[in-house]
Amino acid sequence: DAGVTQSPTHLIKTRGQQVTLRCSPKSGHDTVSWYQQALGQGPQFIFQYYEEEERQRGNFPDRFSGHQFPNYSSELNVNALLLGDSALYLCASSLARLAEYNEQFFGPGTRLTVL
Amino acid sequence: AQTVTQSQPEMSVQEAETVTLSCTYDTSESDYYLFWYKQPPSRQMILVIRQEAYKQQNATENRFSVNFQKAAKSFSLKISDSQLGDAAMYFCAYRSARGDYKLSFGAGTTVTVRA
Repeated sequence: DAGVTQSPTHLIKTRGQQVTLRCSPKSGHDTVSWYQQALGQGPQFIFQYYEEEERQRGNFPDRFSGHQFPNYSSELNVNALLLGDSALYLCASSLARLAEYNEQFFGPGTRLTVL
Repeated sequence: AQTVTQSQPEMSVQEAETVTLSCTYDTSESDYYLFWYKQPPSRQMILVIRQEAYKQQNATENRFSVNFQKAAKSFSLKISDSQLGDAAMYFCAYRSARGDYKLSFGAGTTVTVRA
């Protein structure tokens, strides 16, 4: 049973550029959440996608956008990169019909460095 | 907004001994879930244990147990018979049970295990 996968593993960009991160959920899961984890900090919720729509959003600017595809995979896009966007980006998947439990399974993350 | 506080940046424990990690949270809700996640150096976040706020009984998973004090808004994790593989960053997390899908994490506690 494949777990949550993310690509790429590492990414280096320069300020002002745009980046796209990808996530494939655990088999059978239909909901994808994205988190930003700065070095030495806990993850911060960016947004969650369900049924190809953004269902909930955290306190992140509009430069952060996402998409969910019919196969439940998801992308996180960040425009106009800032140095402060350097972080580990985590994807987590879950199953909506088990919302009460809603255990979120995390991927290994994508390490983004903005120079 | 819910705030999760982990006041111990680092904890060290001798192999086979017991260590307790502290977590407090701030919420006005009565129905919610609490979690402890483990993030080893390989980065993949793993769920260790969960607690439903409506349950008075403390959750236990093998060597891991919690002390849930709802009135005090405290949720500590006890690791018994510590093993070298327990070395990791541990995060306490909160999720509302009412239509809020995000996990709110504390800043984490780094646990080192001495052989």
